[in-house]
Amino acid sequence: KAGVTQTPRYLIKTRGQQVTLSCSPISGHRSVSWYQQTPGQGLQFLFEYFSETQRNKGNFPGRFSGRQFSNSRSEMNVSTLELGDSALYLCASSLTSLSYEQYFGPGTRLTVT
Amino acid sequence: EDQVTQSPEALRLQEGESSSLNCSYTVSGLRGLFWYRQDPGKGPEFLFTLYSAGEEKEKERLKATLTKKESFLHITAPKPEDSATYLCAVQRGNPAGANSKLTFGKGITLSVRP
Repeated sequence: KAGVTQTPRYLIKTRGQQVTLSCSPISGHRSVSWYQQTPGQGLQFLFEYFSETQRNKGNFPGRFSGRQFSNSRSEMNVSTLELGDSALYLCASSLTSLSYEQYFGPGTRLTVT
Repeated sequence: EDQVTQSPEALRLQEGESSSLNCSYTVSGLRGLFWYRQDPGKGPEFLFTLYSAGEEKEKERLKATLTKKESFLHITAPKPEDSATYLCAVQRGNPAGANSKLTFGKGITLSVRP
């Protein structure tokens, strides 16, 4: 069974640009969550989508947004990139919105210059 | 605000030297406590979920335990391949039934020398 896949794996952007990251959950999983991981702050929750609806949102500015498609694939968008947005962005999927266990993808390493 | 504190930040062990990693937490209405392993450049790998105080789970050389305020990950006779960062996370029960977010600790970097 294929795991969570994320594309691209690495990305370099310039301050002020925008970026879109993609996540394909494990087949059959309907909940997708996004996290930002930095050395200083660790893993921080961005948002969670289930059945194309945002169910939970973390404490990030409105520049961070996401969506989920009918096939459960999800995208995350960051507009007006700042240097501090450089991080590993992780996507996690779970079977349903009530599932206890989340399975993570390998992440997208975003560098903002 | 949910809080998770892991200690120590880093731990160096000799192969075969057993030890424990600590995770202290504060959460209103714990739904589950999770342990993950993360290797450099990879996403976290799920290890255990603990739901209530007194619960224990084992997998190979790892054993996780839970009390009302903390969880321990015991590593028995570790091997170099156990070297990784171990993350603890808590999930609060959500009355709306939605999958509430995981709040992670900063992690413990374990290094096992041969």
